[in-house]
Amino acid sequence: DTGVSQDPRHKITKRGQNVTFRCDPISEHNRLYWYRQTLGQGPEFLTYFQNEAQLEKSRLLSDRFSAERPKGSFSTLEIQRTEQGDSAMYLCASSPRGGFWDTEAFFGQGTRLTVV
Amino acid sequence: AQRVTQPEKLLSVFKGAPVELKCNYSYSGSPELFWYVQYSRQRLQLLLRHISRESIKGFTADLNKGETSFHLKKPFAQEEDSAMYYCALLPTWPSNTGKLIFGQGTTLQVKP
Repeated sequence: DTGVSQDPRHKITKRGQNVTFRCDPISEHNRLYWYRQTLGQGPEFLTYFQNEAQLEKSRLLSDRFSAERPKGSFSTLEIQRTEQGDSAMYLCASSPRGGFWDTEAFFGQGTRLTVV
Repeated sequence: AQRVTQPEKLLSVFKGAPVELKCNYSYSGSPELFWYVQYSRQRLQLLLRHISRESIKGFTADLNKGETSFHLKKPFAQEEDSAMYYCALLPTWPSNTGKLIFGQGTTLQVKP
């Protein structure tokens, strides 16, 4: 499968623990996005990278959240001191560079986080 | 405010019946709109975009700027159309970052 891959697929953690998720975008896609999806809702934008630069962060992304894309390839999303409200599906997506038609986002299968 | 509204959580139709999934948006600029679909146990994927004015799997969607709507239609539903459908807005001002604003989603259930 040469699509966007996310690891792990499922994560159960105790409240207060830190968790880290990984996303590997489609090769040569320079844009990478993180979204969060809670039950019964559509995905909500969290943050966006162009190459290694984090260019936009949603106000949903509290101080406990940090994302990196160190070499412009894979990305990590870390949540510190998890809370039950962090329980959600975390989706990663990538898209090609610029261009009017290059706006299709290719999604990974997501990481489902459960905070107990 | 930039917002996408899908008023129906669930739409249930019989095979062969017409389908219309509603989507309304709020955006002050010129909108770029998409429909994404998620089949059972599969990832979210693009179904169609308004700019291409194409028909995919028999689905079409017309942008109506006057009514700020982008409803998804299919004249004859098939069982394999059963899925979750999301309408999404791509803000293009002040820049096109590719960030999507999604509606809440509508589950389409096509009964045999």
